[in-house]
Amino acid sequence: AQKITQTQPGMFVQEKEAVTLDCTYDTSDPSYGLFWYKQPSSGEMIFLIYQGSYDQQNATEGRYSLNFQKARKSANLVISASQLGDSAMYFCAMREGLGNTGKLIFGQGTTLQVKP
Amino acid sequence: GAVVSQHPSWVICKSGTSVKIECRSLDFQATTMFWYRQFPKQSLMLMATSNEGSKATYEQGVEKDKFLINHASLTLSTLTVTSAHPEDSSFYICSALQGAGGAADTQYFGPGTRLTVL
Repeated sequence: AQKITQTQPGMFVQEKEAVTLDCTYDTSDPSYGLFWYKQPSSGEMIFLIYQGSYDQQNATEGRYSLNFQKARKSANLVISASQLGDSAMYFCAMREGLGNTGKLIFGQGTTLQVKP
Repeated sequence: GAVVSQHPSWVICKSGTSVKIECRSLDFQATTMFWYRQFPKQSLMLMATSNEGSKATYEQGVEKDKFLINHASLTLSTLTVTSAHPEDSSFYICSALQGAGGAADTQYFGPGTRLTVL
């Protein structure tokens, strides 16, 4: 079974609007971390935001926020005021805490295109 | 965020030759590094976990004799693709783990190496 699921292969958003990229996860580990990375066409993976399973508040980093709904096992990324430079592939990833090796499990990715 | 470099950024080689890719953590020490392979428009596929001073741990289906990993210091891991063939052509990305591997520790990625085998 998929541990990280991103159901949107591609998304479009108008410049300056907000967009939500979906991510659901599956784990029985009580301690885990959720990450979002951005991969522009250059290929580099850029770390955006982190949410811990015990965090009470949703993580925010500038224009990025994570809508963490623990009961639903979802960790959606919200990008506010989209910019043309936000066009990229976005990956959701999870690290399980117990007995871990530091490995990240990645979702399939969502390609975001920002329209001018 | 922390910086990870990768060299070379691209390489073209003839079939049968070996190619070495370096991954360096520039501003932190990384006991653990990871090597991924990515095909166009697809997700990252973990190939192996590289641990400083010990043997790498390979994922199922990855040939350890084909993809040699050496993590000789806390800032350097290398991936050598031995006797490369056209099917080895891909985008290879390394990452370095900042921390001991707890749930909150972040992996920082290198810029990737595009390998083309003719």
